Order: sequence, then structure tokens, then C-alpha cells
Amino acid sequence: GQNIDQPTEMTATEGAIVQINCTYQTSGFNGLFWYQQHAGEAPTFLSYNVLDGLEEKGRFSSFLSRSKGYSYLLLKELQMKDSASYLCAVTGNTGKLIFGQGTTLQVKP
Amino acid sequence: GAVVSQHPSWVICKSGTSVKIECRSLDFQATTMFWYRQFPKQSLMLMATSNEGSKATYEQGVEKDKFLINHASLTLSTLTVTSAHPEDSSFYICSAREETGVNSPLHFGNGTRLTVT
Repeated sequence: GQNIDQPTEMTATEGAIVQINCTYQTSGFNGLFWYQQHAGEAPTFLSYNVLDGLEEKGRFSSFLSRSKGYSYLLLKELQMKDSASYLCAVTGNTGKLIFGQGTTLQVKP
Repeated sequence: GAVVSQHPSWVICKSGTSVKIECRSLDFQATTMFWYRQFPKQSLMLMATSNEGSKATYEQGVEKDKFLINHASLTLSTLTVTSAHPEDSSFYICSAREETGVNSPLHFGNGTRLTVT
């Protein structure tokens, strides 16, 4: 089976840096994705990791350690508009994308 | 970039009626589309995988006779919620990959908010 864990809620201050962790246990591994979802909207793709290491995309970076079943999403220079849910999702052997429960991030002024 | 269009955005229906939701890939072909459901403050739960020209595969616990999926072309998949009940009220979202291979990201439609009264 598959199990994906991430914190339910986080709070951070505008301009700061926040790290959202995700741990996973899956049957096979073909990649880990991070999505952003604002309330009432569909998820939008942020980043993808298939090999160990850090992938950087502007203010957002994502890290993967396959041996530890661990990933994190790093958000720098937080803005108010970054308040959203951040979903960690894993593709296993089946090709299906399975989501964790999501982390709701609240950015405060 | 890849665009997935979903229609309608929201629908209200009476208990016992059926509702059809359409999912289209606008600028690419998708042999496979995925249907998710999301209840308030919960994550996306995969309901079924829609396969062009063949039967959909459903996740455990999802009733195939209640959630009818048709993927008649490379750009269109439909989900019909039959005999809807209030507990079917949810946010339904479809998705597709622009490229084949499990390593490409899923692109999501804007979702359909279904309310059954």
C-alpha cells in the first residue's frame, strides 16, 4: 500500500522561509510531486523530484531522499498569496498519483 | 502549457437524479485521465482511471455502477454520478498527463463542485 504523511497546518511570517516536510511509504517509486491548492480551486503543479537532491524553481525548492522516503518543499521570501494548501503526491509502480492529506500554510503579515 | 477543461464548474441537483461532468484536454491528447474527489478540508482521493477506448479502472471502495466513466475519445472523458445522494456532494476534479510516462506531472481541470439536495 501507500502512505504519505505531512503536517496538517503550518504558520509563517511574510518574507520568511518555511519548510514543509513529507514522508512516504509506497509500493515502488517513480517520482514525487508537490502541488499548490488555493481554497476552492484545483491543484497547480509546483515541482517534481525523481532523483535524490534539490530542485530549485525560483522561490520554491523541493528536496528528495529516496532512501529515507522523505521530501520537503522550501518556500522562500514568503508572500501573502502563498497562503494555500501544499500537497505532496507520489507515483508508484501503477502510475497513479496518490496524494497526502495536504499542509495548510497560513502566511501572516 | 497543457490545459484541462472541466465542465460544469458547479452543479446543484436533487437527490436521485444523475449528473454528468465533462473533462477535456484542450491542446493535447490523453489516453488516460484520472478522476479525483475531494471532501472539505481533505486531500484528493483517486476514484478511477479513465482509459480511452476501454473500461475504467476503479479504486477500492468506489462503486463503478454509481460513478460511470466514459472515455470515448483522446480528448474527452465523462463522469456520470448516477442516482446522486447528499453524501455524493463533493469537489470532483479530473486530470491528465500531457506526455506519456509516469514521470510527467498531472494537469488538473478546475473542478466541479457538486451539491446534492
